Amino acid sequence: AQSVTQPDIHITVSEGASLELRCNYSYGATPYLFWYVQSPGQGLQLLLKYFSGDTLVQGIKGFEAEFKRSQSSFNLRKPSVHWSDAAEYFCAVGALEGNKLVFGAGTILRVKS
Amino acid sequence: GAVVSQHPSWVICKSGTSVKIECRSLDFQATTMFWYRQFPKQSLMLMATSNEGSKATYEQGVEKDKFLINHASLTLSTLTVTSAHPEDSSFYICSARDLSGRAALGEQYFGPGTRLTVT
Repeated sequence: AQSVTQPDIHITVSEGASLELRCNYSYGATPYLFWYVQSPGQGLQLLLKYFSGDTLVQGIKGFEAEFKRSQSSFNLRKPSVHWSDAAEYFCAVGALEGNKLVFGAGTILRVKS
Repeated sequence: GAVVSQHPSWVICKSGTSVKIECRSLDFQATTMFWYRQFPKQSLMLMATSNEGSKATYEQGVEKDKFLINHASLTLSTLTVTSAHPEDSSFYICSARDLSGRAALGEQYFGPGTRLTVT
């Protein structure tokens, strides 16, 4: 069965600093990978997705993620964090059966000025 | 495009009553919708997969008689929490897949969520 691990529960970065959120997955086949962001009390917004092809994926709001098959990772990055990026970030893997998504536990990002 | 709405956005009900939550795809058709539950500071847990015109598929451990799901059309799915109790208080989020194929495999569009508080 597929699973997603986000090792960092909380991360605090200074505004303007770079950011990397870690995500490791377990899946038997080629994974479909997603990053979502959730602001407090809100639903989820898709930041970016990977299905195939170029392993460096560009998303919205200046985010990017790199798929590394050898490390089973799909880490999210942003070169310069803005205060408005403070939110919770979820990595997810899509399963072919039932088109389900399996989510990681999430990483809460705090941005300090 | 690809907007999903939920109604109500929050609801408070008394223990023992039933509550219905609606999930609508506003600008696309969705044969499949998903219902998630999210506890405070936790991830989303899939409750069930709702398929238009057929019975929902529930995840292990989810009581189908307590969480009734109806997917009556290609744009509407409802979740009814029957005989609600305080432990049912949670944030319920729905998502939908785009029938047209614009969305890549596995991609889901999420609603804004419904906060349920049972007193």
